[in-house]
Amino acid sequence: GENVEQHPSTLSVQEGDSAVIKCTYSDSASNYFPWYKQELGKGPQLIIDIRSNVGEKKDQRIAVTLNKTAKHFSLHITETQPEDSAVYFCAASRSKLTFGTGTRLQVTL
Amino acid sequence: ETGVTQTPRHLVMGMTNKKSLKCEQHLGHNAMYWYKQSAKKPLELMFVYNFKEQTENNSVPSRFSPECPNSSHLFLHLHTLQPEDSALYLCASSQAALARNTGELFFGEGSRLTVL
Repeated sequence: GENVEQHPSTLSVQEGDSAVIKCTYSDSASNYFPWYKQELGKGPQLIIDIRSNVGEKKDQRIAVTLNKTAKHFSLHITETQPEDSAVYFCAASRSKLTFGTGTRLQVTL
Repeated sequence: ETGVTQTPRHLVMGMTNKKSLKCEQHLGHNAMYWYKQSAKKPLELMFVYNFKEQTENNSVPSRFSPECPNSSHLFLHLHTLQPEDSALYLCASSQAALARNTGELFFGEGSRLTVL
């Protein structure tokens, strides 16, 4: 089955800096890669996703890149703000959605 | 009421108790899911219901018993649980079960379960 690895497990950045979270997947047939954000006491919420026919997607301060050859994808957050502090999960799917273990992002003032 | 609502938010139970978790979605979706979230582990899919029919059971122990009376409500009945079952149980919904693979899941805030 699919295996998704996510790094780092924790990440601390200063407000205004960029944050990058990386994931690798094992199933070369996976074709859908969403990112979810989970704030304290809340359920995960989809923030951006990318499909295998696209190499990069951007939505305001967040962007996702996909390298199918290397089987890895990354989340980029620019100009980080305190409200970006949360746990971020990547996932990969061909026929079944498989999540990574999460990255706790802390944005400090 | 909007989104996906889960009750109770917190539950403490002994190993011999019987309790239930409830989930209700107000999004008009046809598929509902139970996930287990444990610290430092990936989200684990437990059950999938599509149009009230169970379409997936990921080898979940029988001490967890799901029930889906209609497309808007989902229950997880708990009986003789073990301490290792302590976790956050998340309910989610989507437009259809297939959408979970390539579409958005809408999660509730979860029920934090502690088994003593």
